[in-house]
Amino acid sequence: DAGVIQSPRHEVTEMGQEVTLRCKPISGHDYLFWYRQTMMRGLELLIYFNNNVPIDDSGMPEDRFSAKMPNASFSTLKIQPSEPRDSAVYFCASSERTSGRYEQFFGPGTRLTVL
Amino acid sequence: QKEVEQNSGPLSVPEGAIASLNCTYSDRGSQSFFWYRQYSGKSPELIMFIYSNGDKEDGRFTAQLNKASQYVSLLIRDSQPSDSATYLCAVNRARYYGQNFVFGPGTRLSVLP
Repeated sequence: DAGVIQSPRHEVTEMGQEVTLRCKPISGHDYLFWYRQTMMRGLELLIYFNNNVPIDDSGMPEDRFSAKMPNASFSTLKIQPSEPRDSAVYFCASSERTSGRYEQFFGPGTRLTVL
Repeated sequence: QKEVEQNSGPLSVPEGAIASLNCTYSDRGSQSFFWYRQYSGKSPELIMFIYSNGDKEDGRFTAQLNKASQYVSLLIRDSQPSDSATYLCAVNRARYYGQNFVFGPGTRLSVLP
């Protein structure tokens, strides 16, 4: 398996622009997670889905952030408009409950820089 | 009080020594606990998980859980320079089938040759 795939790997944009991050989970996994990591705040859970349905979005910082999962193999995290404080590494992770281990497999991350 | 706390380090140990990493959590109802390793510039990877009080061993790694004290630890025996990384403690806040993880700030470990 190719693992969790994220794109782009790096994104540099200007304040006010829309940013869309993409994620393809591991085939067969029924959970998908979006995290943000910064030096100041560490690794934070933004939102997670189970069977394509958002379960908990309490970590989404503001209405500028939105996430969708239209099918089992694709999810997006959108920031509109972007601000410099959104600069961070955004990770997507997936897992399957049936394994009983709750092991979350992380993608390589997208490093976002908002100027 | 933060939900999950760890000493930020850096923790420096000589090669071959035992490295001891500690984590405390605030939600007494938490049921499952995880240790992730993250190399600089890379994504986190799971190295241990533990659900029950006591010790769990996997190779050179031992996880210890004390729910009464709300304390989780990770011991790394025979530390190697390749163990140098940041170790993240994660606690699952979900009560049943969810996976609502909260991560600690991480402890940076440096194993000196």
